[in-house]
Amino acid sequence: GNSVTQMEGPVTLSEEAFLTINCTYTATGYPSLFWYVQYPGEGLQLLLKATKADDKGSNKGFEATYRKETTSFHLEKGSVQVSDSAVYFCALSSSGGSYIPTFGRGTSLIVHP
Amino acid sequence: NAGVMQNPRHLVRRRGQEARLRCSPMKGHSHVYWYRQLPEEGLKFMVYLQKENIIDESGMPKERFSAEFPKEGPSILRIQQVVRGDSAAYFCASSLGLETYNEQFFGPGTRLTVL
Repeated sequence: GNSVTQMEGPVTLSEEAFLTINCTYTATGYPSLFWYVQYPGEGLQLLLKATKADDKGSNKGFEATYRKETTSFHLEKGSVQVSDSAVYFCALSSSGGSYIPTFGRGTSLIVHP
Repeated sequence: NAGVMQNPRHLVRRRGQEARLRCSPMKGHSHVYWYRQLPEEGLKFMVYLQKENIIDESGMPKERFSAEFPKEGPSILRIQQVVRGDSAAYFCASSLGLETYNEQFFGPGTRLTVL
């Protein structure tokens, strides 16, 4: 079956620091990969996605590259802001899971001024 | 263009009561998903519905939980005889289709507290 493993949080950084949140997956079929962000008290919002190997998704300064050889989709940002404080979820969708998305447990990011 | 709407945003019930959670998908979306988020845990898939059909309910508890998506009106997640362990945030999402590239759009959630 499909599964997603994310690094445990919270990740605590100072403003302008470099961010990496690790995500690895197992999947049957050819998955699409997603990062969602959840701000306090809100629902999830799609941050970026990649639909095939070597694709790079990017949005709002965040990037993630679909690495089939390492089954990874790590989220990176060069310089975080306080407003990036949120919970980040890695997810995948594939025919092997009947396209129902599988989510990781989420990684909380706290950015201090 | 309104997004996914859920109501109520907060719901308080006593043990044994019924909870009804409503979800209106984005305009044009006919696929609805319900998820449960427990404190300090990720999102757990519960059920996937299309209009008048339950397509996949593999994540739904076998007892007390039911869901529907009628031809007219919102999707309803119903929890009968609630217990304290049902306290969680329940999120609804909708999508255009089920293809792997289809983005899901999430509502703001209903936070259920069982006293």
